[in-house]
Amino acid sequence: DGGITQSPKYLFRKEGQNVTLSCEQNLNHDAMYWYRQDPGQGLRLIYYSQIVNDFQKGDIAEGYSVSREKKESFPLTVTSAQKNPTAFYLCASSPFAAGELFFGEGSRLTVL
Amino acid sequence: GENVEQHPSTLSVQEGDSAVIKCTYSDSASNYFPWYKQELGKRPQLIIDIRSNVGEKKDQRIAVTLNKTAKHFSLHITETQPEDSAVYFCAAGSTLGRLYFGRGTQLTVWP
Repeated sequence: DGGITQSPKYLFRKEGQNVTLSCEQNLNHDAMYWYRQDPGQGLRLIYYSQIVNDFQKGDIAEGYSVSREKKESFPLTVTSAQKNPTAFYLCASSPFAAGELFFGEGSRLTVL
Repeated sequence: GENVEQHPSTLSVQEGDSAVIKCTYSDSASNYFPWYKQELGKRPQLIIDIRSNVGEKKDQRIAVTLNKTAKHFSLHITETQPEDSAVYFCAAGSTLGRLYFGRGTQLTVWP
């Protein structure tokens, strides 16, 4: 069953802790993206990668880090430097840059 | 970079009426304009898109129009149904880069 899988679905974190959100796709897509969704803010791009071992900052990259060691995987780490990390995070992939985005189901992070 | 403005932020219509959502963009290099629908608690999904060599595209009750000179594009939903209730996002981008999203429109269709 092809698709894009995010885990965990819900995550709680204490202040000062780093957390990593997983994103895996078996669609053979070249491009992968991480978006943050807050009420009334739309979809804001954190990081994106168009090819393995390469990635670019989006509009709100501060406090986040990513890696792209495999075509199928694009994990996002929310570091303790992110001032307001409580949000809904969406991972997406597309067959090429600015192509149709296929989204995962999202991960909701809550900082306690 | 690109700046996409989307209006209105909320829209309420009676079932059977039409709904129109408008977006403007700033970068004349943008040539790809998709629309995504996000139902409550679900992931966004592409409903229609248009490329800059086309002025209008229609798919059943949904249509998108593009005016490159004025840098705006619109989503038109006719004969609205309660299942059309969702948040709709417009986006703009170039096929060599990334997409920029609008802030979304919450559409509510009352039966």
